[in-house]
Amino acid sequence: KQEVTQIPAALSVPEGENLVLNCSFTDSAIYNLQWFRQDPGKGLTSLLLIQSSQREQTSGRLNASLDKSSGRSTLYIAASQPGDSATYLCAASGNAGGTSYGKLTFGQGTILTVHP
Amino acid sequence: GEEVAQTPKHLVRGEGQKAKLYCAPIKGHSYVFWYQQVLKNEFKFLISFQNENVFDETGMPKERFSAKCLPNSPCSLEIQATKLEDSAVYFCASSPNWGVNYGYTFGSGTRLTVV
Repeated sequence: KQEVTQIPAALSVPEGENLVLNCSFTDSAIYNLQWFRQDPGKGLTSLLLIQSSQREQTSGRLNASLDKSSGRSTLYIAASQPGDSATYLCAASGNAGGTSYGKLTFGQGTILTVHP
Repeated sequence: GEEVAQTPKHLVRGEGQKAKLYCAPIKGHSYVFWYQQVLKNEFKFLISFQNENVFDETGMPKERFSAKCLPNSPCSLEIQATKLEDSAVYFCASSPNWGVNYGYTFGSGTRLTVV
């Protein structure tokens, strides 16, 4: 059974800092790994999708990397802003060779607060 | 449209009443999922569909939960005889191909409160 863990559970930083959010997964048989953002009381906004054959994806100030062999992904946020404050979730999509085929398995999330 | 539309946004039911939630996936997306989000961001997989066929229902409490995705209709998730523990946000997601190339697009959720 796929298990996804995110570290840290919460992070508070001053505006302008670069930061790294970590995600680890136990079953390497994944199609891809997706990073989401969730604002309080809202739905999920997809940030980045990394295919299992890729090493990283970039969008603006966000960069996500994937190392399937070690079961890890990181989300790097450059020059953080107060508007980045939200919960960040990673989710692994199980492929046909794994135990979670066709499902997303979510981590518990990292609650990020960026203060001015 | 290019969004997954979930209705209603909020639903309040007395314990024992029925609740029905709806999800219109993005046009052309054949794969639909339901997830339940409870406290502390815990997402629990409920069920997945490939077109109108149930693909995986291992997450469904079968005694009271049922779901359908019929042609030309929104998908639905129905809870018979709701319990307090069913209070959660229910998210629907869709994908054109198991999320392989495009990932999953989520709706904004339905917040169910059982009182």
